[in-house]
Amino acid sequence: DAGVIQSPRHEVTEMGQEVTLRCKPISGHDYLFWYRQTMMRGLELLIYFNNNVPIDDSGMPEDRFSAKMPNASFSTLKIQPSEPRDSAVYFCASSLAGNTIYFGEGSWLTVV
Amino acid sequence: DQQVKQNSPSLSVQEGRISILNCDYTNSMFDYFLWYKKYPAEGPTFLISISSIKDKNEDGRFTVFLNKSAKHLSLHIVPSQPGDSAVYFCAAPAGGNQFYFGTGTSLTVIP
Repeated sequence: DAGVIQSPRHEVTEMGQEVTLRCKPISGHDYLFWYRQTMMRGLELLIYFNNNVPIDDSGMPEDRFSAKMPNASFSTLKIQPSEPRDSAVYFCASSLAGNTIYFGEGSWLTVV
Repeated sequence: DQQVKQNSPSLSVQEGRISILNCDYTNSMFDYFLWYKKYPAEGPTFLISISSIKDKNEDGRFTVFLNKSAKHLSLHIVPSQPGDSAVYFCAAPAGGNQFYFGTGTSLTVIP
C-alpha cells in the first residue's frame, strides 16, 4: 500500500519566491495534517483537515502560509513570499478517524 | 508553551545495553501517549503507545512506562541495537484528533 506521498522531496528557493508543497494522503484516511520540524520546536502542527475541511489552522505561523485540500486525495501548503526562517522539513501526515498518524517522508525546504 | 517535553536532545548507548528515553508532560488529562521513531530523510513512524490506565506497555524490545503522578513517561529499548539509532518523539493527544509532539531525542547506538 502506498503511504503518504509528498513532493517535492527537496526544494531550494530564493527569498521572496512562492513555494508550494504537495501531499497525497493514504487512500481512505479522513484526517490530513501539515507539520513542520525544526530543531528548536520539534514537530509543530501547522494545520489539519477533516474530510477536506480545515479544522484548526492556529499553528500556521503567519499569513504568508496557506493550505488547501480541494479533494480527499490532495493537499497543498503554500508559502508566499518565502523567507529564510521558513527553512525546515515539512511533513504531511494522514490518519483514519484520528487514530495513528502516518507521516510522509517530508519536504526539505531551504530558502536562501 | 510545550505540552510535551523531551529534555535530552541526544543519547548515546553501547550496543546491547539499555536505552532510556524520557518525556514529561504538563496536562494530566492526556489519556494516551505515543512514541514515534524517525530515521534521517524519512518521516516519523509509529512505534508504541500506552493508555493512561496502564503504567506499562511492552512490545518486544520496546517498553514504555508511565508515571502519572510525576507526569512522566519513558521508553526503554533493551537490548539496544545499531538499527535503533534514530530520533524518537513522544506525543500526546491535543484534542480534535491532533497531537502534541516533543522536540525529539536523537539516539545513537554504538556498535
